[in-house]
Amino acid sequence: DTAVSQTPKYLVTQMGNDKSIKCEQNLGHDTMYWYKQDSKKFLKIMFSYNNKELIINETVPNRFSPKSPDKAHLNLHINSLELGDSAVYFCASNGRVGGNTIYFGEGSWLTVV
Amino acid sequence: AQSVTQLDSHVSVSEGTPVLLRCNYSSSYSPSLFWYVQHPNKGLQLLLKYTSAATLVKGINGFEAEFKKSETSFHLTKPSAHMSDAAEYFCVVSGGQAGTALIFGKGTTLSVSS
Repeated sequence: DTAVSQTPKYLVTQMGNDKSIKCEQNLGHDTMYWYKQDSKKFLKIMFSYNNKELIINETVPNRFSPKSPDKAHLNLHINSLELGDSAVYFCASNGRVGGNTIYFGEGSWLTVV
Repeated sequence: AQSVTQLDSHVSVSEGTPVLLRCNYSSSYSPSLFWYVQHPNKGLQLLLKYTSAATLVKGINGFEAEFKKSETSFHLTKPSAHMSDAAEYFCVVSGGQAGTALIFGKGTTLSVSS
C-alpha cells in the first residue's frame, strides 16, 4: 500500500509545454504539500493545502497552480514550462493522526528540454 | 523563524566506523526535529523524529540522534557504518503543529568506503 503516490515518476518535456503532476494520499491526512528539490538537492516548500484550502503559498511563479479537488488529492499544474523548472517535485502529507510527521511521495523527476 | 544548519556538506567514513552528521537548529517555538534520508534517485524516508519526549531518539537502521537544547543541536549518529548507508541526509525542523511546513537543511552527503 503506497501511502503518498505521485505520477508520473519521470517526465521529459519541451519548453513552453503545460504539464501536470498528480498526487494522492491514502493516510486520511488533512494537509498536503508540494516541495521542489533543485539540482543542488535543496528542498523548499512550494504550496500547502489543508482540507482543500491553500494555507502556504511561497514565492513561486504563477505558472505553477496547485489544485486540490478533495483532501486526498493535490495536483500541480505547470504552464509554459521553462528550463529552470527542471527539478524533482515531491508531494507530501501530514495530519493529526500522524502528528507533525510528514510523509513524502517518491518524487517526480521533471526535465525540461 | 525556524532554520537548520547542517555543518558538513560531505562526510566520508569507512565501513564499520562510526557516523556523525551534525545539525544545529534555530526555533522560536519548542521544535520538532527530524532526520530524513534520500538514497540516489529515490524519495525521502523518515529516519527518526524528536517531538519533546525523550531527548535520545532511536530511528531505523541503527541510527539515533540526541536533542540538546543547550547546544541547539540534533546530531545524527550510528555506531557502525554500512555500505548501504551511503545517501543524502537532511536535518529538518517543524513548527510543531500539524499543517506547518518543514524547513530543510541543505543536506549532508554520506560516503561509505570499503
